[in-house]
Amino acid sequence: AQTVTQSQPEMSVQEAETVTLSCTYDTSESDYYLFWYKQPPSRQMILVIRQEAYKQQNATENRFSVNFQKAAKSFSLKISDSQLGDAAMYFCAYYGGATNKLIFGTGTLLAVQP
Amino acid sequence: SQTIHQWPATLVQPVGSPLSLECTVEGTSNPNLYWYRQAAGRGLQLLFYSVGIGQISSEVPQNLSASRPQDRQFILSSKKLLLSDSGFYLCAWSRFSGGSTDTQYFGPGTRLTVL
Repeated sequence: AQTVTQSQPEMSVQEAETVTLSCTYDTSESDYYLFWYKQPPSRQMILVIRQEAYKQQNATENRFSVNFQKAAKSFSLKISDSQLGDAAMYFCAYYGGATNKLIFGTGTLLAVQP
Repeated sequence: SQTIHQWPATLVQPVGSPLSLECTVEGTSNPNLYWYRQAAGRGLQLLFYSVGIGQISSEVPQNLSASRPQDRQFILSSKKLLLSDSGFYLCAWSRFSGGSTDTQYFGPGTRLTVL
């Protein structure tokens, strides 16, 4: 069965600094999708970034980028120039055709210090 | 652009009472629709998903049910709530893409407290 692991329950970063959130997953599929979602205190889940497994190029969205290592089954999120508004719970998620559903990790709570 | 609505935003219900949560999507046709539950301090658990009107797949056996009476409307129901039904309920949609996946977009959620 597919699993998603986020080994960092909490992280902290200074404003304007860079932080990397870790995510590993386990799958036997070759074609799948990976996502990072942000959940601020309002609790609405907001898509941060998406990566297709068949693409070798790492996805980027403004200050957010990923380091996708398919062989290592690793999918980390880098946040550059951290802002106070980045403080939130971040969830890594996996989607594969075998299960046809989105599988979430347990989340990493990111605090941004002014 | 597409938007997703959920209501109510907050609900406090006694044990044994019925439940009806509603989710609607605007700006798209024939979406895939999903219901998730998030317990306090935990990740999301998929409860139901639907690929079309009247088509519901259940992921977790429980006292909840889902219905899709219209293309862009998804309803989560219960005849008798349990204490363990408390949580944050999120509805999501994705474009129907014929077997492959598209990104899921989430609604604002409903916070349910069962007393």
